[in-house]
Amino acid sequence: EDQVTQSPEALRLQEGESSSLNCSYTVSGLRGLFWYRQDPGKGPEFLFTLYSAGEEKEKERLKATLTKKESFLHITAPKPEDSATYLCAGRMNTGFQKLVFGTGTRLLVSP
Amino acid sequence: GAVVSQHPSRVICKSGTSVKIECRSLDFQATTMFWYRQFPKQSLMLMATSNEGSKATYEQGVEKDKFLINHASLTLSTLTVTSAHPEDSSFYICSASETSGAYNEQFFGPGTRLTVL
Repeated sequence: EDQVTQSPEALRLQEGESSSLNCSYTVSGLRGLFWYRQDPGKGPEFLFTLYSAGEEKEKERLKATLTKKESFLHITAPKPEDSATYLCAGRMNTGFQKLVFGTGTRLLVSP
Repeated sequence: GAVVSQHPSRVICKSGTSVKIECRSLDFQATTMFWYRQFPKQSLMLMATSNEGSKATYEQGVEKDKFLINHASLTLSTLTVTSAHPEDSSFYICSASETSGAYNEQFFGPGTRLTVL
C-alpha cells in the first residue's frame, strides 16, 4: 500500500535553532517527492520536488534531501515566520499522477 | 507563477442544500484538476481527479452522486456537494496541473471552508 509518514507530528523550536523534518515513504513507482508549506486555513504552497536519491534542493533557510526510502526537510536558523505545517507527498506512477500526502509536521518557531 | 483560485473561500449552508465550489487556474490551462478534502489536523485526502471534457475519476469511498465534479473548460472545475449534511463540513482544496505528463507540478488553490448546519 502506498504510504507517506511524517515525523515528528509537531516541533517547537527557538528562533535560530536548526532542525530536520522527516518523511518516509513507500510509494510504488515514485515519480517525485514533494514538499509543501501550509498555513492555517490556506491551501498548500509548493516548496520543492525531488526526483532521485541523492538530490538536494534549497530555498532560503530550507533544504530538502532525498534517499530511496525517505526525505528530509532541513531548516537552518529558523525564524518565527517559518511557523507552519509542512507536508510531504509522493507522486504515484499512475495515469493521473496522484499525490499521496503525509499527515504533516506542525512547526512552531518562537522568538 | 501558476495561480489557482477558489470561490467561495467560506460557505455556511443548511443541511439538505447543495453547495457549488469553483476552482480556476488563472494564468495557465489546467488539463487535470484534483479535489481534496482536509479535516482538522489531518492531511489532504484526494477525492477525485478530473480531466477537461471527461468524467471525473473518484477515489474509493467517495460518492460520485454526492460530490459532482464538472471540468468544463481548461481553466474551470466545479465541485457540487449535493444534499449536504453536517458530516460534509470540511476544508475543500483543489489543485491544477498544466499537463498530465510525468513531471508536471500541482498548484493548489487557497481552499474553501464548508460548514453545514
